[in-house]
Amino acid sequence: EVQLVESGGGLVQPGGSLRLSCAASGFIFTDYWMSWVRQAPGKGLEWVANIKLDGSERYYVDSVKGRFTISRDNAKNSLYLQMNSLRAEDTALYYCTRATLYADSWGQGTLVAVSS
Amino acid sequence: IQLTQSPSSLSASVGDRVTITCRASQGITSYLAWYQQKPGKAPKLLIYAASTLQSGVPSRFSGSGSGTDFTLTISSLQPEDFATYYCQQLNTYPITFGQGTRLEIK
Repeated sequence: EVQLVESGGGLVQPGGSLRLSCAASGFIFTDYWMSWVRQAPGKGLEWVANIKLDGSERYYVDSVKGRFTISRDNAKNSLYLQMNSLRAEDTALYYCTRATLYADSWGQGTLVAVSS
Repeated sequence: IQLTQSPSSLSASVGDRVTITCRASQGITSYLAWYQQKPGKAPKLLIYAASTLQSGVPSRFSGSGSGTDFTLTISSLQPEDFATYYCQQLNTYPITFGQGTRLEIK
């Protein structure tokens, strides 16, 4: 069974940093692109970033470019999202997804709240 | 690429046939997916490549379209289908979602 378990969310002040993690199991991690998708409270879905199987390609939504970095550790079957210079508008539930091009498996999300 | 879903909300009854549309601001061939999200839950992939049913998804769900105009159809609504539905394009970065369609019980 595919499992994706996010962690690392919390309350942070504007300008602060957080590192989200996603532990993957139940599939061959190196066979899949991985993604982060977020959802602000009461709002729709927003794709944040993608990373290729070996980490050689990464893509970001414009609003996080230069502030967020997606990475993966294939030896640990783990996906990460380093978030710097956080803003109030980054407040959201952050989902880790497996991407067979399409997001066919999702974690339950980790909540990030940016507030002073 | 902007995706515009219509309607934004919809009231329907069990047994109804429902269609949700998704229009892209430019052509995306068939790189479109549909997701279902229930309150407090993660989204679930229903349809990919515009018309391919994800494994395990009931056959009352179907998708069609290519280019800029797409539809998600539920042939006979069941109580468990009341949820919010999102389309997503993966033709061009940045990947984008539609704003969602909330399907409510009439």
